[in-house]
Amino acid sequence: AQSVSQHNHHVILSEAASLELGCNYSYGGTVNLFWYVQYPGQHLQLLLKYFSGDPLVKGIKGFEAEFIKSKFSFNLRKPSVQWSDTAEYFCAVNAGYNQGGKLIFGQGTELSVKP
Amino acid sequence: DAGVIQSPRHEVTEMGQEVTLRCKPISGHNSLFWYRQTMMRGLELLIYFNNNVPIDDSGMPEDRFSAKMPNASFSTLKIQPSEPRDSAVYFCASASSGETQYFGPGTRLLVL
Repeated sequence: AQSVSQHNHHVILSEAASLELGCNYSYGGTVNLFWYVQYPGQHLQLLLKYFSGDPLVKGIKGFEAEFIKSKFSFNLRKPSVQWSDTAEYFCAVNAGYNQGGKLIFGQGTELSVKP
Repeated sequence: DAGVIQSPRHEVTEMGQEVTLRCKPISGHNSLFWYRQTMMRGLELLIYFNNNVPIDDSGMPEDRFSAKMPNASFSTLKIQPSEPRDSAVYFCASASSGETQYFGPGTRLLVL
């Protein structure tokens, strides 16, 4: 069965620090990859996505992610975090067209940014 | 577009009562998903529909849970009877043909 693993459950950073959140998935075929963000008390919002093409994708609010097929990874990065980035981040995979759009989510990484 | 609309936003009920959650997907989207989010279990897919047809309901916890999508613009998730362990935030999401899922604001359910 497909699965998504996020390496860190909780990350604490100071403002201006660089961020990298790990995400690995298990599926050998074509995948669509997503990062969603959930601010406290809110719903999930799309941060960025990868369907095909350039494996380095840029999203909103200065976030980017790199798809490395050989490593089955899709890590999220931001060079300088802000206090407003405090949120929970979810990696997700849409594996295979037969899944009909079903997303497999990771368990989430909670990011706390200290002012 | 108004985005995915869910109602109610908050629901407090007593154990044993029936709870109905409602979702209106984004117009033109043909896939609809119901998720449950708790601290203990994280985000879980309960069921999803393509073109109003349930495709995968393997995530539905038990027979107390049921979901319907009578038309392209409306879906319900019903819990009968409700139990305290059903307390969670329930999200609805919609998508177009396997593309990006857009989430609604969620229904925060508390079963006493």
